[in-house]
Amino acid sequence: GAVVSQHPSRVICKSGTSVKIECRSLDFQATTMFWYRQFPKQSLMLMATSNEGSKATYEQGVEKDKFLINHASLTLSTLTVTSAHPEDSSFYICSAQSGGGADTQYFGPGTRLTVL
Amino acid sequence: QQQVKQSPQSLIVQKGGISIINCAYENTAFDYFPWYQQFPGKGPALLIAIRPDVSEKKEGRFTISFNKSAKQFSLHIMDSQPGDSATYFCAASIRSGQNFVFGPGTRLSVLP
Repeated sequence: GAVVSQHPSRVICKSGTSVKIECRSLDFQATTMFWYRQFPKQSLMLMATSNEGSKATYEQGVEKDKFLINHASLTLSTLTVTSAHPEDSSFYICSAQSGGGADTQYFGPGTRLTVL
Repeated sequence: QQQVKQSPQSLIVQKGGISIINCAYENTAFDYFPWYQQFPGKGPALLIAIRPDVSEKKEGRFTISFNKSAKQFSLHIMDSQPGDSATYFCAASIRSGQNFVFGPGTRLSVLP
């Protein structure tokens, strides 16, 4: 149980284009989803927290107009990187939490974004 | 106060040995402490977690030791195997909250 999927696993795009990453909780309802960014050999950096049906809460320094997050249902959240630039190249990971007092976050497999 | 410190940064252990990774925190409001294992190019996977009402939790070869007064917790991997080679992250959160605070990670290499 508690499986989280991400799609795509890898994406290469040209500078200036937008990329959408999907995060799905497959066997539970995720009231809260989190988006992280991870640079090589570094820890996870929280970008934003989204609750189903609400606007995402972004961490300090994360541009909300650049990283658009939508949590339209209890099983799906999307991260759209708008007007991507090479410095946006990174490993993006989502996690999901079922709520109702549950503490654990279950992570997706990650998406490797490369912006040329 | 939100920081979680983790050591060592990297660890090399012989097969069959014990791997020990330590974490420390400052915020006494933290009340949930999970450990995650991450292989290269993959997302973190929950390994084991503990709450401060117990001092130790064991699941198979993995044990968390928790010292509430010292605000420290550690992961022990018994009979370490080459397949355990990965990066390990400790984390802390407040049960009534949502966000995890992650440690910087420990790269474990278990030699065959």
